[in-house]
Amino acid sequence: AQSVTQLDSHVSVSEGTPVLLRCNYSSSYSPSLFWYVQHPNKGLQLLLKYTSAATLVKGINGFEAEFKKSETSFHLTKPSAHMSDAAEYFCVVTANTGNQFYFGTGTSLTVIP
Amino acid sequence: SQTIHQWPATLVQPVGSPLSLECTVEGTSNPNLYWYRQAAGRGLQLLFYSVGIGQISSEVPQNLSASRPQDRQFILSSKKLLLSDSGFYLCAWNLGVDSPLHFGNGTRLTVT
Repeated sequence: AQSVTQLDSHVSVSEGTPVLLRCNYSSSYSPSLFWYVQHPNKGLQLLLKYTSAATLVKGINGFEAEFKKSETSFHLTKPSAHMSDAAEYFCVVTANTGNQFYFGTGTSLTVIP
Repeated sequence: SQTIHQWPATLVQPVGSPLSLECTVEGTSNPNLYWYRQAAGRGLQLLFYSVGIGQISSEVPQNLSASRPQDRQFILSSKKLLLSDSGFYLCAWNLGVDSPLHFGNGTRLTVT
């Protein structure tokens, strides 16, 4: 079975400091993993995806994530937070078996000026 | 490039009234189409998905239904809305297994 756990429901960082949003997954298959960002009253925008290629994945807006199979983790990082990064972030896993996507419950990122 | 359109952006409907939300995708063929609902402060719940015209899979038993009358059109309907139907409805598409979902901007539905 597949599932995703986002370890923090809220994260606050100061502008210009690093961002770390944590995600652990469970999958019976070789997973594909995604991070999405959602601004208020908007749809979800794809930040990056891992699909069994390089374990360090670079995405848009300076975000990156590292797939660690031994730790079943896919944490999202950014070296320097910007005010525009304040949003809700979702970690998503899917298996190679169909169209089921499993969403985490989201992490709300606050950026303090 | 591919785009997804979803409307209306906001909707206020009384209990017992019908519902029709529409979603269309441009710039691709034979996409998989999805309807999700996002309740306040919660994650996403898959309602329906479709792999082709007339093919609908329902994930959650409820008073909602979906239809796909054309390749790139996906409609979410209800004959009689309930208060519990309030939420943020998102349409999405992708192209096959493991390809990422691409979302529309959503419809905020308030049932009063």
